[in-house]
Amino acid sequence: TQLLEQSPQFLSIQEGENLTVYCNSSSVFSSLQWYRQEPGEGPVLLVTVVTGGEVKKLKRLTFQFGDARKDSSLHITAAQPGDTGLYLCAGLRSYGKLTFGQGTILTVHP
Amino acid sequence: DAGITQSPRYKITETGRQVTLMCHQTWSHSYMFWYRQDLGHGLRLIYYSAAADITDKGEVPDGYVVSRSKTENFPLTLESATRSQTSVYFCASSGGTDAFFGQGTRLTVV
Repeated sequence: TQLLEQSPQFLSIQEGENLTVYCNSSSVFSSLQWYRQEPGEGPVLLVTVVTGGEVKKLKRLTFQFGDARKDSSLHITAAQPGDTGLYLCAGLRSYGKLTFGQGTILTVHP
Repeated sequence: DAGITQSPRYKITETGRQVTLMCHQTWSHSYMFWYRQDLGHGLRLIYYSAAADITDKGEVPDGYVVSRSKTENFPLTLESATRSQTSVYFCASSGGTDAFFGQGTRLTVV
C-alpha cells in the first residue's frame, strides 16, 4: 500500500511569516498533486509535479518534487489570512486514482 | 452549468436505511470517483469508475455499492447505513490527471 505522510498536521502563524509543508512517501509516485480545501467545499487542485527535482511557482507558493519522486514540499512566502485552509498532497496512481496525505490545517492570523 | 454537482448536500438517516448519494458531471470525463473524508484519515477512495459500466473497488468499499449506466452519473448507495459511515462524501471526475471535486455530501447516520 502506498502511503503519504504529511507534516505538520496543524500550522498557526502570523501574517507575513513563511512556512513549509512536507509530504513524504516510502513509494515512488508518477506524479504528486497539491490541493487546497476550504470549509464546506471540495478540494481544488493547485499544482501537479511530475519530474524529479521539479520546482513550480504559483505566486507566493513554491512546490518542489524530490529527486527520487518520493517526497514533495509546499512553501508559502509571506503568508496572508487568505491562505488559511486545508492543504492536501496526493499521489497520482493508475486510472486517475489519488492517495491523499492526512492534510495540513493552516491558519494565518492577521 | 459545467462542473460536477453532488446531491443532497446534507443528509441525516437512520441506521439500517438505504441511502443514495448522487453525482453528476458535465465534462464527459472518463474517470469518476467516490472518496470519504474523516478526521485523522484524510480522503480515502471508496469506489472508482474508468468508464460507463466499468467500476472497481477502492480502499474502503465495504457497505457501499456504485453503478455507472451513463458517463455523466455515478451514484453511491449505502445498502444498510451504519454509524461508522457518518462522514463527508466527495465525488470527483478526471480525464486522467487533474481531478475536479464536488462540494461534498455531509451524511450523518443516527
